[in-house]
Amino acid sequence: DADVTQTPRNRITKTGKRIMLECSQTKGHDRMYWYRQDPGLGLRLIYYSFDVKDINKGEISDGYSVSRQAQAKFSLSLESAIPNQTALYFCATSDYRGSYEQFFGPGTRLTVL
Amino acid sequence: TQLLEQSPQFLSIQEGENLTVYCNSSSVFSSLQWYRQEPGEGPVLLVTVVTGGEVKKLKRLTFQFGDARKDSSLHITAAQPGDTGLCLCAGAVARGGSNYKLTFGKGTLLTVNP
Repeated sequence: DADVTQTPRNRITKTGKRIMLECSQTKGHDRMYWYRQDPGLGLRLIYYSFDVKDINKGEISDGYSVSRQAQAKFSLSLESAIPNQTALYFCATSDYRGSYEQFFGPGTRLTVL
Repeated sequence: TQLLEQSPQFLSIQEGENLTVYCNSSSVFSSLQWYRQEPGEGPVLLVTVVTGGEVKKLKRLTFQFGDARKDSSLHITAAQPGDTGLCLCAGAVARGGSNYKLTFGKGTLLTVNP
């Protein structure tokens, strides 16, 4: 079974709609991250959370919000989707100990028309 | 903002050839990681290098961390079609104590043709 799961895997929506992407993990990690990936731009950090009460903006947080409902759940919301938010979105987790390795989910492909 | 520049952006080679991918920055990182991403999947960690000048070997892959901890390279010997994918480097930036976040390069899209 996958340690980091994301739902939905694919989503097509229209401009102005509210969208929520969900991430769940069974790794027991306290740290969770949301990234977006665009062709030629690599992975860019949207938000990150070091524990349930610690949420931080990343480099491209405008137009997004997050909620850390529990240690295992971290959701990303687009309050009013716009076409330039069309991208591949990844959730990742890491442990506070060790080698800083991040474990990624399978991704959500979001298309905003 | 720390930036990581990867080169080349695209690399298409024949099976059996050797290749090197570079990751450079003007900033110092606590550690540097290399990930591999296949289409339709999330990145998966290949290696973490921590010490300046460190060299790690993983079968046909050799990773090197620069002495000043600002750059790294990934060398693949005798590339195989299964090596096809996106190679990503990521630098860890300490935020205080054990807290950190990763800054990713834009990636090198590697294609190994049979």
